[in-house]
Amino acid sequence: AQSVAQPEDQVNVAEGNPLTVKCTYSVSGNPYLFWYVQYPNRGLQFLLKYITGDNLVKGSYGFEAEFNKSQTSFHLKKPSALVSDSALYFCAVRTTDSWGKFQFGAGTQVVVTP
Amino acid sequence: NAGVTQTPKFQVLKTGQSMTLQCAQDMNHNSMYWYRQDPGMGLRLIYYSASEGTTDKGEVPNGYNVSRLNKREFSLRLESAAPSQTSVYFCASSARDRGVYGYTFGSGTRLTVV
Repeated sequence: AQSVAQPEDQVNVAEGNPLTVKCTYSVSGNPYLFWYVQYPNRGLQFLLKYITGDNLVKGSYGFEAEFNKSQTSFHLKKPSALVSDSALYFCAVRTTDSWGKFQFGAGTQVVVTP
Repeated sequence: NAGVTQTPKFQVLKTGQSMTLQCAQDMNHNSMYWYRQDPGMGLRLIYYSASEGTTDKGEVPNGYNVSRLNKREFSLRLESAAPSQTSVYFCASSARDRGVYGYTFGSGTRLTVV
């Protein structure tokens, strides 16, 4: 079985400050990890993924995430948040044998204030 | 523009009515998926189709049926709608059935069952 936890329902940050959205996972094999962002009344958009290789993954819109196998975490980060980063963020995991069937976290609402 | 197209965008049904949600992708993807999104629960997989001609149940298939009409189209049918099916429904597709490249999502269908 696989699962994903996003421990924070909401993250509040001031514009220009660093942004971190936390994600931990539990899988029985090697994980594929993804971050998606959802703007109001829109579908989910791909931000970045970890498949293998470097633990630090860079993605769209200045976001990055660090894969930490020992802590089973894949936290999303941005050095300087923008008001336009306000959205709902989802972490997702699947394994090499789970067929494209992702397990999504519950989502974290990010609110960036001017 | 290439992508995943869902229709309708909004729908209100009375309990017991039936309807079909349509999804089409023009990216030549093999695999397609239906998810529902509920507050605080992330996205949950209803059904998926690894390739044309195959469909399988996901995490929450009860009350739904699907049809993979051809490689492009994957429809979701509610035979007798219930208020518990009030949700936002997303269709997604992926280039490989193992989803290594992640999903491309449609913009969603917001369904209310009264």
